[in-house]
Order: sequence, then C-alpha cells, then structure tokens
Amino acid sequence: ETGVTQSPTHLIKTRGQQVTLRCSSQSGHNTVSWYQQALGQGPQFIFQYYREEENGRGNFPPRFSGLQFPNYSSELNVNALELDDSALYLCASSSNREMGAETQYFGPGTRLLVL
Amino acid sequence: GNSVTQMEGPVTLSEEAFLTINCTYTATGYPSLFWYVQYPGEGLQLLLKATKADDKGSNKGFEATYRKETTSFHLEKGSVQVSDSAVYFCALFRGGGSYIPTFGRGTSLIVHP
Repeated sequence: ETGVTQSPTHLIKTRGQQVTLRCSSQSGHNTVSWYQQALGQGPQFIFQYYREEENGRGNFPPRFSGLQFPNYSSELNVNALELDDSALYLCASSSNREMGAETQYFGPGTRLLVL
Repeated sequence: GNSVTQMEGPVTLSEEAFLTINCTYTATGYPSLFWYVQYPGEGLQLLLKATKADDKGSNKGFEATYRKETTSFHLEKGSVQVSDSAVYFCALFRGGGSYIPTFGRGTSLIVHP
C-alpha cells in the first residue's frame, strides 16, 4: 500500500508568481484535503475534494484553487503569491467523505518559500 | 466557529515522567476529536481519536478521553520516552454540522534522557 506523496518537496518563488503543488492520495482513498501550516502553527484547512468536486473550504481567498483528478490525485494552485504564503503545504487523503470518524493520512508536505 | 486551544509549549520532561497536554475545544454538536503527532521534518500522523462523549482513544501508551461536560480532550502518557519528542496537535472535525477541520497550534514535547 502506497502512502500519500507530495511534490515537489521544496519550492522557492517570488511575489506575484503562481505555483502548483501536487499530491497523490493513498491507494483506495477518494478524498483529498489541503492544509497550510505556517511555522510554529497548526495546519489551517484550505479545502477538500471528494470525487473531483470541492467538498468544503476554509477561510482562504479565491487565489487558492484546486483540482482532483479521476485517479483521486490532486493539485493545489496558488496565484499571485504573497510573502505570507510561505508555509508547509500538507495534503491528506481519506477514504470517506464523512469526516466524522474517518482518519486522514498526511503526506510529508511541500515547503514553499516566497521571496 | 469551531476552535481548539492547546497548552503552550514547550513541555520539557525527563524520561519516564508523566505527561499531560491539555486540549479544550469550542464547537456545537458532537465533533470527533483527534490527536496527531508531527516528528521533525515529517507530516502529521494520527495518534488517537474519539468520536463520541466518554470515549477513550489510546495508542502507543497515550490516552485521551472525550469529556463533553468540560469540552476537553487532554492527552496523557504514564511514562514518556526520548522518542516521544515531537509536536502534538489536537484537532476536531465536523463540529456543528460544518466540515471545517480545526487544529490547535501544537504543543512541543521535549524528553531528556
């Protein structure tokens, strides 16, 4: 069973640029969630995708957008990067849309630095 | 909205000491509660969970009991090891009917030999 993988591991961008982060979910999982974790903080929920549709969204502006593909892998796109977007971006997959009890399995994250 | 409050860290202990990391939450309804652990340079791993009041989650010697009357989910371990050094996050999911996973700020644990 393959775990959650993310690419790239590290990325450096400049303000105003656009970035795409990728996530492959764990085998058998149809739900992917994205989180932003600033240094010294807990993860902040960005959004979740279930069967290729957005299933919930946290308090992030529209320049944060995502996609989920038929194989349940996912992309997070961030446009017009700002310095405050520098963070660790975590992807988590799970096998059930109803997150009441289902465990999310996290990838190692992509560390983004915006200069 | 939902919120999770954890005790400030770092928590510094000697090996074999007793550990408590406090977590309280604000949410309507009956959220599920989780503890995740993050080792340096890694993503989060589920440590334990509880899905209804009075449930006790346990794993690897860690325990936490879902206390609805005090809206708490404190993490405990009777005897910590150096390998337990990590950051611990308390989280709630699906509080008040909305799906907005909410994590605490994390509590760093440092265990000395």
